[in-house]
Amino acid sequence: GAGVSQSPRYKVAKRGQDVALRCDPISGHVSLFWYQQALGQGPEFLTYFQNEAQLDKSGLPSDRFFAERPEGSVSTLKIQRTQQEDSAVYLCASSVGQAYGYTFGSGTRLTVV
Amino acid sequence: GDSVTQMEGPVTLSEEAFLTINCTYTATGYPSLFWYVQYPGEGLQLLLKATKADDKGSNKGFEATYRKETTSFHLEKGSVQVSDSAVYFCALGPSNSGYALNFGKGTSLLVTP
Repeated sequence: GAGVSQSPRYKVAKRGQDVALRCDPISGHVSLFWYQQALGQGPEFLTYFQNEAQLDKSGLPSDRFFAERPEGSVSTLKIQRTQQEDSAVYLCASSVGQAYGYTFGSGTRLTVV
Repeated sequence: GDSVTQMEGPVTLSEEAFLTINCTYTATGYPSLFWYVQYPGEGLQLLLKATKADDKGSNKGFEATYRKETTSFHLEKGSVQVSDSAVYFCALGPSNSGYALNFGKGTSLLVTP
């Protein structure tokens, strides 16, 4: 597609629920990133994929967070047993390579109540 | 580790005023430097970038110069418009051992008519 598409745009989850956030990167983009942006803060790195390989997951805040990109295109970020502190905007970005600009999606705003 | 420090906002300017948003960084090596803009309710958009010392990035009237001697990448615009109201993020490109952009906390700009 023309841009990075994320769904859903908004998600309200009750504490303890599992959620799955989807990212459709730009076709042909090898690199895919997930970031977490808390209110009034800059995006914080969560994880990075190169094609289907998850090369860096050092930013995932706990083992409740899990990301996958099984066919090297669409990616899913899953959060198990959501907590209030998980409330944030989750941004996905893709790129043809590290030396190039990153295109961000509009994000999924997750609110845990 | 690598880090980015931006001036705190909010910054409020009248239309046609001169804009400077300060950004300094700490990094090993010579990473690329970026400015991203986030309009209300939208994802991050790349505004400009510079890949090496003394490079000047420019776009839509905004400019920033990669200054190695002062480890800075200040964003400037000669005459701001109401439509420039947004949050601006300075970002450091991946280090030699990493993959992700490292963002500052963002500076909110409000331009009044």
